[in-house]
Amino acid sequence: AQSVAQPEDQVNVAEGNPLTVKCTYSVSGNPYLFWYVQYPNRGLQFLLKYITGDNLVKGSYGFEAEFNKSQTSFHLKKPSALVSDSALYFCAVRDEDSNYQLIWGAGTKLIIKP
Amino acid sequence: DGGITQSPKYLFRKEGQNVTLSCEQNLNHDAMYWYRQDPGQGLRLIYYSQIVNDFQKGDIAEGYSVSREKKESFPLTVTSAQKNPTAFYLCASSILGTSLVGEQYFGPGTRLTVT
Repeated sequence: AQSVAQPEDQVNVAEGNPLTVKCTYSVSGNPYLFWYVQYPNRGLQFLLKYITGDNLVKGSYGFEAEFNKSQTSFHLKKPSALVSDSALYFCAVRDEDSNYQLIWGAGTKLIIKP
Repeated sequence: DGGITQSPKYLFRKEGQNVTLSCEQNLNHDAMYWYRQDPGQGLRLIYYSQIVNDFQKGDIAEGYSVSREKKESFPLTVTSAQKNPTAFYLCASSILGTSLVGEQYFGPGTRLTVT
């Protein structure tokens, strides 16, 4: 069965430190992977996506994600966290045979402490 | 400005009443989606539409209905048959095509409270 897992409900990081939000996936075909961010009471905003090519993808607000096919992972990273990065982060995957639907992770709450 | 609008931002209804949530996009996207978000949970797909006058059920379609009479509009009706309708509802749209992998663009959401 296709699935996306975000193993951490919450991640706490001190401002200025690097951050990682984890995502693993299971799909039958080639994975198309996405990261989104949601601020309180708002819709989701697209951060970045991996379709093919370079395993390191750069996105909005200084975020990047590393695709690892052997580990079926797509972890979100940022070298230096800001307090304003505090939000809910969602990983999603679209299998090429999924009729354009996205499979969503449960979300990880990122808290950046000053 | 291009984007997706949802109205109203907050909606209150009495139990037993149907309510319709609006979603409009001016991005010229073919596909539109409705999701439900509950606290501590990810997004769950209610309905989606890839073309005008056609739509498909998602994972939790029971108690909901949609229409897609225009490309720009995809309203969602929460019927009295939905047993637990209080939630945050998100509308999204995307481009569509086998050679295109378009990200979904989201509206600001409607928070529905049924008492």
